[in-house]
Amino acid sequence: DGGITQSPKYLFRKEGQNVTLSCEQNLNHDAMYWYRQDPGQGLRLIYYSQIVNDFQKGDIAEGYSVSREKKESFPLTVTSAQKNPTAFYLCASSPTGGGSPLHFGNGTRLTVT
Amino acid sequence: SQQGEEDPQALSIQEGENATMNCSYKTSINNLQWYRQNSGRGLVHLILIRSNEREKHSGRLRVTLDTSKKSSSLLITASRAADTASYFCATDNSGNTPLVFGKGTRLSVIA
Repeated sequence: DGGITQSPKYLFRKEGQNVTLSCEQNLNHDAMYWYRQDPGQGLRLIYYSQIVNDFQKGDIAEGYSVSREKKESFPLTVTSAQKNPTAFYLCASSPTGGGSPLHFGNGTRLTVT
Repeated sequence: SQQGEEDPQALSIQEGENATMNCSYKTSINNLQWYRQNSGRGLVHLILIRSNEREKHSGRLRVTLDTSKKSSSLLITASRAADTASYFCATDNSGNTPLVFGKGTRLSVIA
């Protein structure tokens, strides 16, 4: 079954620690995305990548970093520089960049205390 | 930047009734998409309507697009309790930039 896997589903960290969220897809999609969702809010774009070894900042990239070394994988690191990291993080992919429909993972809920 | 703005923010209806959600946006688009999100889960793509289309159907879903008013509506007919979810519109503004999502409408369908 093709899809996107985000792990873990729940993650707890102490303030000041970096944490990496995993996102893997077996859909052979070129483009991958990271969104952040806060309670009752829409999705805000953190980073996206339209091709391996290339990525662009989204609207709220500060305090986050990504890598795209393999087509299937797009991990997101939440650094200690991110002022308010507690949120629901969603990874998505699409066959090409731009406006093609997105396939989403089931998210990682990160709590930083 | 948030392009789409859904209205209402929340909607509560009885099973069997129709549910209508609206989305307004600011700039010209290539297409507009609707997604559904069950609580604590990822979003699921429902339907895509291109800027040169006015109406599209998929099962119990009907989407309209009015580019002159920069607005779209999603109609769910004969709603079921299982339709309870948040619904988001997303716009494709240029074809080479990521989709921009609105804040969503929370739909509750009461059995």
